Formats: sequence, structure tokens, C-alpha cells
Amino acid sequence: QQQVKQSPQSLIVQKGGISIINCAYENTAFDYFPWYQQFPGKGPALLIAIRPDVSEKKEGRFTISFNKSAKQFSLHIMDSQPGDSATYFCAPSGRTGTASKLTFGTGTRLQVTL
Amino acid sequence: DAGITQSPRYKITETGRQVTLMCHQTWSHSYMFWYRQDLGHGLRLIYYSAAADITDKGEVPDGYVVSRSKTENFPLTLESATRSQTSVYFCASRGNLGGEQFFGPGTRLTVL
Repeated sequence: QQQVKQSPQSLIVQKGGISIINCAYENTAFDYFPWYQQFPGKGPALLIAIRPDVSEKKEGRFTISFNKSAKQFSLHIMDSQPGDSATYFCAPSGRTGTASKLTFGTGTRLQVTL
Repeated sequence: DAGITQSPRYKITETGRQVTLMCHQTWSHSYMFWYRQDLGHGLRLIYYSAAADITDKGEVPDGYVVSRSKTENFPLTLESATRSQTSVYFCASRGNLGGEQFFGPGTRLTVL
């Protein structure tokens, strides 16, 4: 059973454009909705995360939008830069039980062109 | 070194050999995780541990063994390595209250 579906698989955006990546989940016990960023040869690192008590969180050029009723959340990268070129993973989780096992989406490879 | 470390960073072994990948964290995090990353599959959970002496299977546990006698260490053993276990392995940890997972730098394992 696939609990997390991420789209698109790959994305090419021009410098200065907006990158949008989506994540749909099934487990209603999830209460932590992060996006991880991974550069080649490195481990994933937390980029931005949201808890379900808010619908949007912005940190600089990065915004998470969260829709609890639709069980979806998305990452928006404004004014995309070549340095944003990386693979992005959503990985919702909960605090205990099976929900505590981080379930990663399959990843979105973002390429920002000049 | 502070943080989470993995060793070795690169390993080449032969089919049938036993291999142990080490993971060490300095934060005293309760939870620790092992993932493998393969093209087209993203990151898949192998095993995780909620505390010392407590481990549980993830999505792809077959062929792997873990132990956690100390909070800070979480070794992953391939008892008899197979070519399908060629992958990049990541260890991660997080605290009790959920939230951010911290990842190690990864171990690239090649099984010939």
C-alpha cells in the first residue's frame, strides 16, 4: 500500500520561475509534513516543514501549503535559482506507532536552468 | 564529531559475504532509522528503532539484521550479501517528539 504519492517526478524551471511539487498522503495519523532536499552525494536534509494546525508556512523563497481535508501538501519555490537544483522528497510522519516510520515520496528531481 | 556519522563511506564486497554498516549519533535521539536509496525507488525504510533494544521492520527488511544495544549506535548487517543489495544506505535519527530526521552522509555499497 503506497501511503505517499509525490508529483511530478521531474521538473525543469527557468531561473526566476516558480517550482511547485505536490504530495498526497493517506494516513490520517500523520502530524508532521516536511520537505527534504537532497543534493547529489549527500544525505537528505530538512528544508521546511509544517504541522497540521496551520495551512501555510513560508521561509524565505520556500512555502508549504497544507490541505488537511484533501490530505495533500505542496512545496512552492519562488524565484527559483540554479542552486535549488536538487531532488526533493516529501516525508510525512506521526509521533508513534506505524506513523512514526518516515514514509518518503519517490522524489522530484528539480532542474533550474539559466 | 557531533551529529550523525556512518562508516564506511564506501564498501565493495562479494556475494555471500557478511557486511556491517555502522551508524553513530551524538544527540541521544531515541529513534534511529536505516534506509536504502535506489534509482526509481526513492528512500525505502529497512529497519527502525524506537529506543535501545527495541527494533522493528520497515518496508524492505529481508536480508538485513539490526541491533541496538546502545542508544547512540545502530549497526546494519547484511548476513549474506546479494547483488540486489547494491545501494546507497542512509542512517537517520530523530528525537522522541517526532519532527525532523537528521541523516548521515550515506554508505555506498557495491556487491559484486
